[in-house]
Amino acid sequence: KAGVTQTPRYLIKTRGQQVTLSCSPISGHRSVSWYQQTPGQGLQFLFEYFSETQRNKGNFPGRFSGRQFSNSRSEMNVSTLELGDSALYLCASSTGGTGKGNTEAFFGQGTRLTVV
Amino acid sequence: AQSVTQLGSHVSVSEGALVLLRCNYSSSVPPYLFWYVQYPNQGLQLLLKYTSAATLVKGINGFEAEFKKSETSFHLTKPSAHMSDAAEYFCAVKHTGNQFYFGTGTSLTVIP
Repeated sequence: KAGVTQTPRYLIKTRGQQVTLSCSPISGHRSVSWYQQTPGQGLQFLFEYFSETQRNKGNFPGRFSGRQFSNSRSEMNVSTLELGDSALYLCASSTGGTGKGNTEAFFGQGTRLTVV
Repeated sequence: AQSVTQLGSHVSVSEGALVLLRCNYSSSVPPYLFWYVQYPNQGLQLLLKYTSAATLVKGINGFEAEFKKSETSFHLTKPSAHMSDAAEYFCAVKHTGNQFYFGTGTSLTVIP
């Protein structure tokens, strides 16, 4: 069974540009969540998509957006990049059932974004 | 609100020694607790999770954790450290839904 696939693994962008990251969840998983990991802030929740709808959102500016397709693949977009957006962006896949809090998430290897 | 606190951002143990990584949670309702491990330039891998079926939870690679409600703790242990255990460890809590709240992480160094 294939795991969570994130592409690309590494990206270098210039301030002001925009970037799109992709995540393919485990087959059959309908929930995709995105996290930002930085040395200073640790792991922070960006948003979750379930069946093509954003179900939950963290405390990030509107420059951060996402979407989910009918095959559950998800993309995350960051516009007007800032130096502080440099981070490891992790995608997490789960079955997504509500009310079952003990469901674990499976993480991809992440996309390392560097903004220069 | 739910959160976790990991005590000790860096822990060093000798190979073969006991590994103890501390995690305390704060939750107004019974929490769902998890331990994840992250190797350099990798994503997070689930070590174990607390499901309320048993207070002592066994995970992969010889790790286990004990849920103690009276102490609001979910510490991770391994009887004998191996060099391959060197990594970053994250405690996380989740209520309903799929949003995890992660601790700040503990970097484990294993000294040969």
